[in-house]
Amino acid sequence: SYELTQPPSVSVSPGQTARISCSGDALPKKYAYWYQQKSGQAPALVIYEDGERPSGIPERFSGSRSGTMATLTISGAQVEDEADYYCYSTDNSGNHWVFGGGTKLTVL
Amino acid sequence: EVQLVESGGGLVQPGGSLRLSCAASGFRFSSYEMHWVRQAPGKGLEWVSYITTSGSTTYYGDSVKGRFTISRDNLRNSLFLQMNSLRAEDTAVYYCMGGVHFWGQGALVTVSS
Repeated sequence: SYELTQPPSVSVSPGQTARISCSGDALPKKYAYWYQQKSGQAPALVIYEDGERPSGIPERFSGSRSGTMATLTISGAQVEDEADYYCYSTDNSGNHWVFGGGTKLTVL
Repeated sequence: EVQLVESGGGLVQPGGSLRLSCAASGFRFSSYEMHWVRQAPGKGLEWVSYITTSGSTTYYGDSVKGRFTISRDNLRNSLFLQMNSLRAEDTAVYYCMGGVHFWGQGALVTVSS
């Protein structure tokens, strides 16, 4: 079955740039979406269609895709950005959606 | 304001059934594809099922295929998930998701004897 692979954890100091990767064989043809989930809360969309930012999401959040890898970048990470981040996409058929395993971002 | 409100969760015995509902408001429900997503305690997100805007096409994750059925009522702005032959490993918070943008707050389903 199709899989998206993320690093389990990323750690940065406040003000540094955090990069979270997501790799999958279908990503060259399928959009990646990124969700932020803070402790005890429902997930929230932070990036859609590889690099688009929903209204209300700070400009420090950006997304990109190159080949089989999508990347979420948080430029100047803040303490309030500490959360679990998940990428989301489909396989080549479009019939099966899948989440990456999630990346725990620590900012301290 | 966009709202998705799940209901119907609870405690059920292994082998039992449960029907989740998701009431949508604040957006044009009939224009959005919908998903069910779940999260087991302390675990990551898992895609469960997808339905097209008209309801004519549905897809399921391998772990629930043949046991769960997704459906929708565009006149009542509602999404459903019929869950049969429930197992302990189905214990999770179940979220409905509008398109890929909007999330509900989730409904807890516990499968235990």
